[in-house]
Amino acid sequence: DTAVSQTPKYLVTQMGNDKSIKCEQNLGHDTMYWYKQDSKKFLKIMFSYNNKELIINETVPNRFSPKSPDKAHLNLHINSLELGDSAVYFCASTQTAGNTEAFFGQGTRLTVV
Amino acid sequence: AQSVTQLDSQVPVFEEAPVELRCNYSSSVSVYLFWYVQYPNQGLQLLLKYLSGSTLVKGINGFEAEFNKSQTSFHLRKPSVHISDTAEYFCAVSETSSASKIIFGSGTRLSIRP
Repeated sequence: DTAVSQTPKYLVTQMGNDKSIKCEQNLGHDTMYWYKQDSKKFLKIMFSYNNKELIINETVPNRFSPKSPDKAHLNLHINSLELGDSAVYFCASTQTAGNTEAFFGQGTRLTVV
Repeated sequence: AQSVTQLDSQVPVFEEAPVELRCNYSSSVSVYLFWYVQYPNQGLQLLLKYLSGSTLVKGINGFEAEFNKSQTSFHLRKPSVHISDTAEYFCAVSETSSASKIIFGSGTRLSIRP
């Protein structure tokens, strides 16, 4: 069983569309994250939820909205997609908010055309 | 706020040679330090971490790193690399008071030549 799974793995869409990426973890962790990795491999944290509560919200356009229906799921919805949103998006989880080992999903490669 | 610098974007090494990937951090408070590895088209996997105690930490796949507080460094080493070590390596830091926010360096691509 995959510990942190994301769907879809690849997503190609046109500018202006709205899309969602889903993430689920079966580790029983309390805290989940979204990271964005750009074309130069730079990883930047976007959001973090602890037990369904938003605890980290970095400077991200408000077109990006995370949603955590329960502590095992953290979805990312993106409105009005732009070319610059093209990147690989990684979901991750840690046992608690202060825990130090993050488990990452395989990533979702988003391409906006 | 903390930051991480990986000075080498690419490190080419011959197979079975030793390697060192450099990492320096900046923080006004105490930190936890990590090295993660990303194989092609995959997510990140923890190699090793420094939380406290011994400054020399050993990780998976024969890697080790040494925490040097005076030089604010956490360099990653392996005495003999294999083709399978070809990957992107990320150094990361988080404040001990707010471990939720892990800040990553820009990554170092390790390429192994036969």
